[in-house]
Amino acid sequence: KQEVTQIPAALSVPEGENLVLNCSFTDSAIYNLQWFRQDPGKGLTSLLLIQSSQREQTSGRLNASLDKSSGRSTLYIAASQPGDSATYLCAVRSGGGSQGNLIFGKGTKLSVKP
Amino acid sequence: EADIYQTPRYLVIGTGKKITLECSQTMGHDKMYWYQQDPGMELHLIHYSYGVNSTEKGDLSSESTVSRIRTEHFPLTLESARPSHTSQYLCASIGRGSGNTIYFGEGSWLTVV
Repeated sequence: KQEVTQIPAALSVPEGENLVLNCSFTDSAIYNLQWFRQDPGKGLTSLLLIQSSQREQTSGRLNASLDKSSGRSTLYIAASQPGDSATYLCAVRSGGGSQGNLIFGKGTKLSVKP
Repeated sequence: EADIYQTPRYLVIGTGKKITLECSQTMGHDKMYWYQQDPGMELHLIHYSYGVNSTEKGDLSSESTVSRIRTEHFPLTLESARPSHTSQYLCASIGRGSGNTIYFGEGSWLTVV
């Protein structure tokens, strides 16, 4: 059974720092991996999606990498800003290809201090 | 910007009441999902649908039911709410042309007293 773990559970950094959020999964047979942002009391916003054949994806100050063989993904945030404060969730789609369901981690709660 | 809407956003109801959480999307997506999320915890899939008249139970057992009579509409119903149903319910959808990106609604916060 696929399990997704995110470390750390919470992170507090001063504004301007570069940071890395980690995601690991137990079954490397995934279809894709997706990073989301969740603001308090809100739904999820998709940040980056990495297909199983890809190594990384970039969007603005965000870069996500995928190492399927080791069951790991990282989300790199450059030059963090207070507006980046949110919970970041990692999810993998496995077991059934594009029909498989998403398995979520518990998230990393990020706080960027001005 | 994704067009997926949930109502109500916040609801407090008494034990034993029947409640329907609405979810609509205007993107023509075939696949729709309901997730349950307790504060600080991971999302758990409770129901999904791959098209009209198709519904399946998810990974987490739930006493709720769903229907998919129209492509754009995927309501979730609790026939008799209990305090254990207090949670956030998130609706999501994926379309063929969206590159497998999943879009979420803003969620419905349900409190059963």
